[in-house]
Amino acid sequence: SQQGEEDPQALSIQEGENATMNCSYKTSINNLQWYRQNSGRGLVHLILIRSNEREKHSGRLRVTLDTSKKSSSLLITASRAADTASYFCATDAVGGANSKLTFGKGITLSVRP
Amino acid sequence: GAVVSQHPSWVICKSGTSVKIECRSLDFQATTMFWYRQFPKQSLMLMATSNEGSKATYEQGVEKDKFLINHASLTLSTLTVTSAHPEDSSFYICSARRRTGSYNEQFFGPGTRLTVL
Repeated sequence: SQQGEEDPQALSIQEGENATMNCSYKTSINNLQWYRQNSGRGLVHLILIRSNEREKHSGRLRVTLDTSKKSSSLLITASRAADTASYFCATDAVGGANSKLTFGKGITLSVRP
Repeated sequence: GAVVSQHPSWVICKSGTSVKIECRSLDFQATTMFWYRQFPKQSLMLMATSNEGSKATYEQGVEKDKFLINHASLTLSTLTVTSAHPEDSSFYICSARRRTGSYNEQFFGPGTRLTVL
């Protein structure tokens, strides 16, 4: 069953603008991960945030996690046309040897040049 | 980096035939491999989890006799769609996990597009 629910489902912005995508989940987690998927391709891991972390940065990416609200956000700053893709959050409820990811429905981001 | 390959990248077959998809971790040993399917514009749904040398664990609603998984080695897992029908047409993605510190990383293959006529 799906755990994460992203919003918005689709986002269209101008190149150079920031893109913010949100993910909510229902059960407790060990960690939450964000992935990117270009059309018809596999997934690329972007960033992992642990349940005891509140914010993490990687290049133009900033991820926050609020475990009290069971939500996470992914911010892409200074977006580029090449950022056009689908973005998924995935939750890992247990971590460790028995971990498995549950994916949200995804957000389609379009960055207009 | 950790690379996972899938073969074939796409396949078209007739209804009733069986199709085998391979998933390989190219530069690392995978403790576990996962198989997902994805319908157009939808999320990834986990089908099964397999550990090398043991039987796969299937998610609820996934027919194990329909989707045969063989995890023959620490670098290879195969998914065989038996007696494929048009409703099995989908994008199948595998991922492989290696242990990194306290948290396991999953690396995804590029996917296999299956079309059943």
